[in-house]
Amino acid sequence: QQQVKQSPQSLIVQKGGISIINCAYENTAFDYFPWYQQFPGKGPALLIAIRPDVSEKKEGRFTISFNKSAKQFSLHIMDSQPGDSATYFCAARGGYNNNDMRFGAGTRLTVKP
Amino acid sequence: ETGVTQTPRHLVMGMTNKKSLKCEQHLGHNAMYWYKQSAKKPLELMFVYNFKEQTENNSVPSRFSPECPNSSHLFLHLHTLQPEDSALYLCASSVGTGNEQFFGPGTRLTVL
Repeated sequence: QQQVKQSPQSLIVQKGGISIINCAYENTAFDYFPWYQQFPGKGPALLIAIRPDVSEKKEGRFTISFNKSAKQFSLHIMDSQPGDSATYFCAARGGYNNNDMRFGAGTRLTVKP
Repeated sequence: ETGVTQTPRHLVMGMTNKKSLKCEQHLGHNAMYWYKQSAKKPLELMFVYNFKEQTENNSVPSRFSPECPNSSHLFLHLHTLQPEDSALYLCASSVGTGNEQFFGPGTRLTVL
């Protein structure tokens, strides 16, 4: 049962452009929404995370926008660089089971020079 | 070694073989996890251990058998696997089960 839907599956952006990846969740009990970045041959690494009490969180070029009423959140990468080329996963956790992190299917981002 | 390490990095096995995956964390964490990552699918949580005790088994087939001898080591014993079990198996650890998870590089498993 997929509780986190992520789109697009793949994304190509020119260097300097804005990359936007969207996620939607179903379980209103989720209370922690991280984004992970995964390079080939590596495991996912936490990039940025948000809790539902704020609508936006920014860290450097990376911003999470959170819409609680729509049950959606998105990752924006400003001034995208070729080094940002990776697979990005959104996730959601919380509610009844704090162990269970639900992941989106991933977005493969390619930033062209 | 720092962080979370996994061995082997690649494994090819037949359906009748028995093999084990190893995970070791050098972060002083108390919780460890096994995930399965298949192409174009969400990461699937398989098992969770907290202070060496299994706290989660996400309806994983019995051909996958986890073992956690201490808080730093986690094994996944494999036997009579199916070709559809081919995937990247990721280990992760966290301070506690509600905290940020740190992932290892994974073991790429191919079942012939």
